[in-house]
Amino acid sequence: GENVEQHPSTLSVQEGDSAVIKCTYSDSASNYFPWYKQELGKGPQLIIDIRSNVGEKKDQRFAVTLNKTAKHFSLHITETQPEDSAVYFCAARKNNNNDMRFGAGTRLTVKP
Amino acid sequence: DGGITQSPKYLFRKEGQNVTLSCEQNLNHDAMYWYRQDPGQGLRLIYYSQIVNDFQKGDIAEGYSVSREKKESFPLTVTSAQKNPTAFYLCASSMGQGTSSYTFGSGTRLTVV
Repeated sequence: GENVEQHPSTLSVQEGDSAVIKCTYSDSASNYFPWYKQELGKGPQLIIDIRSNVGEKKDQRFAVTLNKTAKHFSLHITETQPEDSAVYFCAARKNNNNDMRFGAGTRLTVKP
Repeated sequence: DGGITQSPKYLFRKEGQNVTLSCEQNLNHDAMYWYRQDPGQGLRLIYYSQIVNDFQKGDIAEGYSVSREKKESFPLTVTSAQKNPTAFYLCASSMGQGTSSYTFGSGTRLTVV
């Protein structure tokens, strides 16, 4: 089955700096890669996603890149703000699969 | 507003008790899922359901049971057979298979006392 690995497990940056979180997946048939943000005591919220027919997608300060050959994808956050502090999860899914596989999460801390 | 609602937010269970966690969605989503989250860990799939009256075991189904009698509802029962039930439980829904994202509820924190 699909296996998703996520790095780093913790990340601390200064406000205004960029943050990058990386994930790898094992199943080459996976074709949908969302990123979720989870604040303390809440459920994960979708922040950006990418499908396998594109290599990059941007939404304001968030961007995701996908390398299908290497089977890895990354989340880039620019101009980080203290409210970006949360746990971020990557995930992978394929068309004929009934569930999404999640990475273990990255705890991002943005220091003011 | 459309969304997915989990209740209660906090739940305490005594040893040997069964407890049921509620999950309701008004998004008209076909598929619903239950995940368990332990501190500092990712999400592990307990059960999922693609359509009414059908559900499948996930990776850690032992000690749990579900039902899907209505499209909008997917309750999870944590039975006494689950030896370590203290965790944060998340319910999610999606349009179904394919490249669709999940919408998550706000979670239920279950503690054994």
